[in-house]
Amino acid sequence: AQSVTQLDSHVSVSEGTPVLLRCNYSSSYSPSLFWYVQHPNKGLQLLLKYTSAATLVKGINGFEAEFKKSETSFHLTKPSAHMSDAAEYFCVVSDPTGGFKTIFGAGTRLFVKA
Amino acid sequence: EAGVAQSPRYKIIEKRQSVAFWCNPISGHATLYWYQQILGQGPKLLIQFQNNGVVDDSQLPKDRFSAERLKGVDSTLKIQPAKLEDSAVYLCASTLDRVDTEAFFGQGTRLTVV
Repeated sequence: AQSVTQLDSHVSVSEGTPVLLRCNYSSSYSPSLFWYVQHPNKGLQLLLKYTSAATLVKGINGFEAEFKKSETSFHLTKPSAHMSDAAEYFCVVSDPTGGFKTIFGAGTRLFVKA
Repeated sequence: EAGVAQSPRYKIIEKRQSVAFWCNPISGHATLYWYQQILGQGPKLLIQFQNNGVVDDSQLPKDRFSAERLKGVDSTLKIQPAKLEDSAVYLCASTLDRVDTEAFFGQGTRLTVV
C-alpha cells in the first residue's frame, strides 16, 4: 500500500534563505508524486508534479523537487524564501496499484521570518 | 474556466443532526474526490468517483456517510447522524481523468458539530 511521510511538521526559515521540505514515500509501483500548497482560508493549489519524466521537476513560484527512487524521496526546495511562501505544504502520492488513490502527507507548516 | 464549486462554505449543526454538502466539478472532469481535512492534518480521501461509479470508498464511514454522483457531474456528500468528530473541512476535487493530471480543489465546506 502506498503512503507518504513528511518528515517535519514545522519548518522556519528567514526571508531570502533556502527552503527544504522533506517527503518520503512508499509505493509498490512507479508513483505519481505531487506537492500542493494551502494558504490560510484558501483552496489547495498544485505546486508541481512528477509523473515518470524528468526526475528534477520545476514548479510555480520558484519551487522545485527531485525524485530519488533509491531514497524514495521527493523533497521540495526553493533557493530563496519569500514572505508569501508562508503556508502549509502537502506531499501527495498516487499509484495505480493503490487504485489511483491520492494519499496526502500530514503537511509541513512553513514559517518565513523577516 | 470555472473552478470546482462547493456549497455551503460553512455549516454549524448539533450532533445527531444530518447535513449535506454539494460539489460541482470542473466541466468535463470525469474523476471527483471527496476529502475530509481535520484541523492540523492532511486531507483524507473519503470517496473517489469515476464518472458516476465509485472507484474507492474504503475510508468512508458507511454507517453515517453517503455520497452520490448520479449523473456523473455534480455530487453530494451526506452525514447522518453527525458526531462531534466529524468537525472538519470537507474538500471536493476533480481531475480530467488520469491519475497524473492535476487535481483542482474547491474552497471546501467547514463543518462544525456542536
